[in-house]
Amino acid sequence: QQQVKQSPQSLIVQKGGISIINCAYENTAFDYFPWYQQFPGKGPALLIAIRPDVSEKKEGRFTISFNKSAKQFSLHIMDSQPGDSATYFCAAKRGDYKLSFGAGTTVTVRA
Amino acid sequence: NAGVTQTPKFQVLKTGQSMTLQCAQDMNHEYMSWYRQDPGMGLRLIHYSVGAGITDQGEVPNGYNVSRSTTEDFPLRLLSAAPSQTSVYFCASSYSGLFYNEQFFGPGTRLTVL
Repeated sequence: QQQVKQSPQSLIVQKGGISIINCAYENTAFDYFPWYQQFPGKGPALLIAIRPDVSEKKEGRFTISFNKSAKQFSLHIMDSQPGDSATYFCAAKRGDYKLSFGAGTTVTVRA
Repeated sequence: NAGVTQTPKFQVLKTGQSMTLQCAQDMNHEYMSWYRQDPGMGLRLIHYSVGAGITDQGEVPNGYNVSRSTTEDFPLRLLSAAPSQTSVYFCASSYSGLFYNEQFFGPGTRLTVL
């Protein structure tokens, strides 16, 4: 049973548009929420991460929004570019080392 | 730094065969882990290690063994391969497993069990 539920499974966005990926969790012991980006044939790479004492974090065109009371967090990709086409994974972690991943969202940006 | 390296990149096994997936890192990281990636299921933790000589089970450990004799290496052994083990396997490492240390992933090994 996945501890982090991610949606949608895939999305298509036009160049310049906004991509939004949502994740939800149940375990309130999670204290670190990273997002990973994976290109075909490569391993995942850390994109951006947030701690639950912060409601939003922005790095360039990527923003995490975090709603602690709803136990939800989301990734927004602003001004989406073809180079952003990849699979995105949300994850959650407790202090005991283990990362729990969502199922992944494949983002396709059409030029 | 080479980062996290994995060999082989591709492997085909027959049911019942055994093999070892190799993982090495040159960043002097304490924490290393193995994940498998299957469509629609994200990455699932198989085994992890918090230092040389210390290993523990993750979410899906059955059918896999690990050992950690050095800081650099963390091999994953399939004892008797089954078609259900067809997957892409990723090794990852971080300076420390606790809290907010970034995990670095290797390029993966694509395994097919016939």
